[in-house]
Amino acid sequence: EVQLVESGGGLVQPGRSLRLSCAASGFTFDDYAMHWVRQAPGKGLEWVSVISWDSGSKGYADSVKGRFTISRDNAKKSLHLQMNNLRAEDTALYYCAAGFIGGTYGYFDNWGQGTLVTVSS
Amino acid sequence: EIVLTQSPATLSLSPGERATLSCRASQSISSYLAWYQQKPGQAPRLLIYDASNRATGIPARFSGSGSGTDFTLTISSLEPEDFAVYYCQQRSIWPPTFGGGTKVEIK
Repeated sequence: EVQLVESGGGLVQPGRSLRLSCAASGFTFDDYAMHWVRQAPGKGLEWVSVISWDSGSKGYADSVKGRFTISRDNAKKSLHLQMNNLRAEDTALYYCAAGFIGGTYGYFDNWGQGTLVTVSS
Repeated sequence: EIVLTQSPATLSLSPGERATLSCRASQSISSYLAWYQQKPGQAPRLLIYDASNRATGIPARFSGSGSGTDFTLTISSLEPEDFAVYYCQQRSIWPPTFGGGTKVEIK
């Protein structure tokens, strides 16, 4: 069974940093691209970032480019999102999602339960 | 960036009725469209990919159609567990984008 478990969320002041992690199990982690998708409270879904299976390709939404960095450790089956210079508008539930169908630029087949990031003074 | 517009925003129906949800893209995305279901307090779940292919384990009452700019998700006969929010998502043109969602609520 595919499992994705996010951690690292919390309350942080504007301008500070936070690092999210996602632990994967139940599938061959290093075969697939991984994504971060977020959802602000009561709002819709927003794609944040993607990393290819071999970390050779990375992509970011314009809203986070230059502030967020995605990385992965295939040996540890883990995905990370380093978030710097956080803003109030980054407040959201952050999901990690596995991209089985369509490769790096594909769909979001399996999702974790999310970790909540709240940016507030 | 591709804008996906979903309609209606809310659909009020009774169990057993047919649900028809629409997603319109701001430009052609071929068939590179997915549908997700999200229930309160849960993560989204992939239902349909490439416009018309059901994901693993998705019941046959869910079907998708369309290509180019106009897409439809149909739930042939609503079950109690189908009342949820549905999002469409495109992967044709980077970055991937989602529609604003359609809430299917019990009438």
